[in-house]
Amino acid sequence: GENVEQHPSTLSVQEGDSAVIKCTYSDSASNYFPWYKQELGKRPQLIIDIRSNVGEKKDQRIAVTLNKTAKHFSLHITETQPEDSAVYFCAASIRDTNAGKSTFGDGTTLTVKP
Amino acid sequence: DVKVTQSSRYLVKRTGEKVFLECVQDMDHENMFWYRQDPGLGLRLIYFSYDVKMKEKGDIPEGYSVSREKKERFSLILESASTNQTSMYLCASSLQKVTYEQYFGPGTRLTVT
Repeated sequence: GENVEQHPSTLSVQEGDSAVIKCTYSDSASNYFPWYKQELGKRPQLIIDIRSNVGEKKDQRIAVTLNKTAKHFSLHITETQPEDSAVYFCAASIRDTNAGKSTFGDGTTLTVKP
Repeated sequence: DVKVTQSSRYLVKRTGEKVFLECVQDMDHENMFWYRQDPGLGLRLIYFSYDVKMKEKGDIPEGYSVSREKKERFSLILESASTNQTSMYLCASSLQKVTYEQYFGPGTRLTVT
């Protein structure tokens, strides 16, 4: 089955700096890569996703890049703010099969220091 | 707004008890999922369902079973609870073939003593 590795497990940055979280996946058939943010005590929520026919996607301060050849994808947060502090999960899945079942990484705890 | 609810936020059970965790979604989603979340281990899939009465094992199904008798409701059953099943349990749902975004419930923190 699919295996997703996520690094780093913890990340601490100063407010205003950039943060990068990286994930690798094993199944070359995976074609959908969402990122979820989980604030303390709350449920995970989708913040951005990318499909395998696209190399990069941006949404304001958040961007995701995908390298299909190397089987890795990354989340980039620019101009970090304290409210970006949360646990971030990457995931990989194959659309149109298995009900869109996603395999999640272990999560990255991001702390943004004011 | 998609709403996914879980029957309890906190639950304390004794070893050997049968435990039922219920999840209900109100957006007519075909897919439903049960995960457990433990520190440093991410979200691990226990079971999922893509239709009424259909179920498939996830990555860690041992010690669990599920039931989906109605489209909106997906139940997780611990036949005989053990202390290593102490965890946060999250339910999620998603549409098929339109978007695969998963909408999560608030979670149930289960403690087995």
